[in-house]
Amino acid sequence: EPEVTQTPSHQVTQMGQEVILRCVPISNHLYFYWYRQILGQKVEFLVSFYNNEISEKSEIFDDQFSVERPDGSNFTLKIRSTKLEDSAMYFCASSESGVGPDTQYFGPGTRLTVL
Amino acid sequence: AQSVSQHNHHVILSEAASLELGCNYSYGGTVNLFWYVQYPGQHLQLLLKYFSGDPLVKGIKGFEAEFIKSKFSLNLRKPSVQWSDTAEYFCAVNAGGATNKLIFGTGTLLAVQP
Repeated sequence: EPEVTQTPSHQVTQMGQEVILRCVPISNHLYFYWYRQILGQKVEFLVSFYNNEISEKSEIFDDQFSVERPDGSNFTLKIRSTKLEDSAMYFCASSESGVGPDTQYFGPGTRLTVL
Repeated sequence: AQSVSQHNHHVILSEAASLELGCNYSYGGTVNLFWYVQYPGQHLQLLLKYFSGDPLVKGIKGFEAEFIKSKFSLNLRKPSVQWSDTAEYFCAVNAGGATNKLIFGTGTLLAVQP
């Protein structure tokens, strides 16, 4: 069964550094998402992406964050200057159509630790 | 604003006990509802989903759920749990709009004792 994959599984960085989290969505899916889960809190939506554009973003997704689909398979989340509060598990998801009833499939997550 | 409530934060059961986890959402329009499970060290997996039609939904691994529109709920059930059901369970809802962003509940940590 096709799966969403994410790399790295764990990333440790110093405050102020840039990080790029990578995702490979399921190949025939057209909509891509990033969510995060701070330890002990709920999973929160960050951004959705379709046709090389951001479709929707939350208030968490400020100017420090950006997303990109650099080629036909990867989908990346960049945090320009990490803060301590960016420490969280980041999940990538993809879905086939993104309109109407649709199911999002999640990757295993990247645990980001900012020191 | 849309929200999802899961009232049970930690549940401890013995094997073969029955399970029911509550999920309520607040949104007046058409919603799509999901239950995801996260086994220790693994990613979120879809257990079941409700879009429309029959309010009794069957999912994977023997899980089922009942959608009660008047109560804005989709409660997850399993008649007899196993040790391998130990995991965190998340209810999520999307209400369309520009995209299908999911709004998650806080999760319920289920521990099944052998």
